[in-house]
Amino acid sequence: SAVISQKPSRDICQRGTSLTIQCQVDSQVTMMFWYRQQPGQSLTLIATANQGSEATYESGFVIDKFPISRPNLTFSTLTVSNMSPEDSSIYLCSVTGGSLSYNEQFFGPGTRLTVL
Amino acid sequence: QKEVEQDPGPLSVPEGAIVSLNCTYSNSAFQYFMWYRQYSRKGPELLMYTYSSGNKEDGRFTAQVDKSSKYISLFIRDSQPSDSATYLCAMSADSSASKIIFGSGTRLSIRP
Repeated sequence: SAVISQKPSRDICQRGTSLTIQCQVDSQVTMMFWYRQQPGQSLTLIATANQGSEATYESGFVIDKFPISRPNLTFSTLTVSNMSPEDSSIYLCSVTGGSLSYNEQFFGPGTRLTVL
Repeated sequence: QKEVEQDPGPLSVPEGAIVSLNCTYSNSAFQYFMWYRQYSRKGPELLMYTYSSGNKEDGRFTAQVDKSSKYISLFIRDSQPSDSATYLCAMSADSSASKIIFGSGTRLSIRP
């Protein structure tokens, strides 16, 4: 398995501001993903973070709103830009591959974001 | 129609009961089926992983897949308060974990 940490664990932000969430893994992984989990909703994939290149975004998510960085095989950031109350959610990173099984995604503990 | 449908619950049962959690899906290309468990304020963790139709047992947990009906189940025997969590079904068309579709999760509470 893997030890995955996310910072911050929670935050309360004002409308119009931006928040950057960090995801750190204790081993090198092939793929890193960012999800949003809203109450009563499925995990929704935002994007796949690609090491050394631009992230691959899912339908309905754009780089200007959710810029992602992945400078190496153990670290990624997701920024939620120009936030509105609709962005209030739990944001999760997950990883797979590398020294880990390719059949399973391993999740971080999540970042609970509230936008006022 | 969502690709994966799951009753959100909440489901509350007494300790020791048999629990049945279910999901239906619409995409016949799904071949790999998973159940994740998510405790409060934690990320999901893989509980069961099965390929195609059939049953798989692991301790008190049994995963069942019926591809002809596009229906999957997770049974928990001798349920314990520590089983209280949200259970998410998940599935994908290939063996890599790169494109997994999740259900919305069923919140389960086991009463002592």
